[in-house]
Amino acid sequence: AAGVIQSPRHLIKEKRETATLKCYPIPRHDTVYWYQQGPGQDPQFLISFYEKMQSDKGSIPDRFSAQQFSDYHSELNMSSLELGDSALYFCASSRMGTGSSYEQYFGPGTRLTVT
Amino acid sequence: DQQVKQNSPSLSVQEGRISILNCDYTNSMFDYFLWYKKYPAEGPTFLISISSIKDKNEDGRFTVFLNKSAKHLSLHIVPSQPGDSAVYFCAASGSPGTGKLIFGQGTTLQVKP
Repeated sequence: AAGVIQSPRHLIKEKRETATLKCYPIPRHDTVYWYQQGPGQDPQFLISFYEKMQSDKGSIPDRFSAQQFSDYHSELNMSSLELGDSALYFCASSRMGTGSSYEQYFGPGTRLTVT
Repeated sequence: DQQVKQNSPSLSVQEGRISILNCDYTNSMFDYFLWYKKYPAEGPTFLISISSIKDKNEDGRFTVFLNKSAKHLSLHIVPSQPGDSAVYFCAASGSPGTGKLIFGQGTTLQVKP
């Protein structure tokens, strides 16, 4: 079965640079979520989109922005990168209006390293 | 403040025995709970979930129990297999679809052959 696709899998950037992470949800899933997992920590919710509109927002820095496109893929844009942004970034997707709409399916993650 | 807590960082069990992973939550508005399994360098994999209107949900070797009055849930794995060795996250949600998942800190399960 098709899963959530994230690209790139690994990314190395320098401080103050910009990064763009991409997420392709499971086919027919209309909701996308972004999470950040620091070393030894649990995943922390950043932001979510439903039908291309922002639906919820968590502890996402103002330096970060995200959007969902007409084909339902999503991009997380990160500017003025800081060392503390080094983490695993997960994208998850779900489908609203079904009995399992709470269930979020995660991609493999993008490991961002800021040097 | 940690709204979802997994107080045992690690658990070790013998192959064939039962593994019991525990999770506590503080927010009574949570109405859906999920368990995820995670291997290093991979994304969390959905295992099993339970709605707050139920007290038990079973799927093969995995059973989740919910005690709303105690704000406690547990995941039972019977029988445990070496391939079950991973980090297990408990997560809670207060709304479907648009809602975020709040994760616990995770419990590392080791199943010894």
